[in-house]
Amino acid sequence: GAGVSQSPSNKVTEKGKDVELRCDPISGHTALYWYRQSLGQGLEFLIYFQGNSAPDKSGLPSDRFSAERTGGSVSTLTIQRTQQEDSAVYLCASSSTGTGNTEAFFGQGTRLTVV
Amino acid sequence: AQSVTQLDSQVPVFEEAPVELRCNYSSSVSVYLFWYVQYPNQGLQLLLKYLSGSTLVKGINGFEAEFNKSQTSFHLRKPSVHISDTAEYFCAVINFGNEKLTFGTGTRLTIIP
Repeated sequence: GAGVSQSPSNKVTEKGKDVELRCDPISGHTALYWYRQSLGQGLEFLIYFQGNSAPDKSGLPSDRFSAERTGGSVSTLTIQRTQQEDSAVYLCASSSTGTGNTEAFFGQGTRLTVV
Repeated sequence: AQSVTQLDSQVPVFEEAPVELRCNYSSSVSVYLFWYVQYPNQGLQLLLKYLSGSTLVKGINGFEAEFNKSQTSFHLRKPSVHISDTAEYFCAVINFGNEKLTFGTGTRLTIIP
């Protein structure tokens, strides 16, 4: 596609339920990032995939969070047993090389509300 | 570890006035620096970036930023703002050899007609 696509755009879920957030990066981009944007908190790094290397999971806030990237393309972020503090906008970004000096393109985000 | 500080959470500016959005970073190694903009109800997009070379970097929509290594700053400026510049602006840093974009908390720029 022309840009990074995320789905759903909005998700309301009950506390304790599991949710899956999807990211379709730009075709050919080897690097993929997940960030969380909470009100007044800036953007928090969650996880980074680069090619076939082991992902950098150092930003995942708890073991309820996990992510995978299948076939080096689509990525899914899963949050198990959601809590109200998980409410935020989850942003996905991709870049062509992951070397840091290339632009990261962001999707529109998924707004997650846990009630 | 790298970190970014944006001291101003909100900046109101009259239309056609100049603006400066402040960004300071901390890192023990060399860095790449970025400004991203998020217009209302849109995703983040790159405004400009500093990788190396000239410390004055020009970006889209008339914005520019200056890298000051001694002050560890990367302030964003525009000589004359427009209503369309209303947005949230994020400063970000990457250490050489590290792929994690670390963002500041953002500055909401509001243009007053």
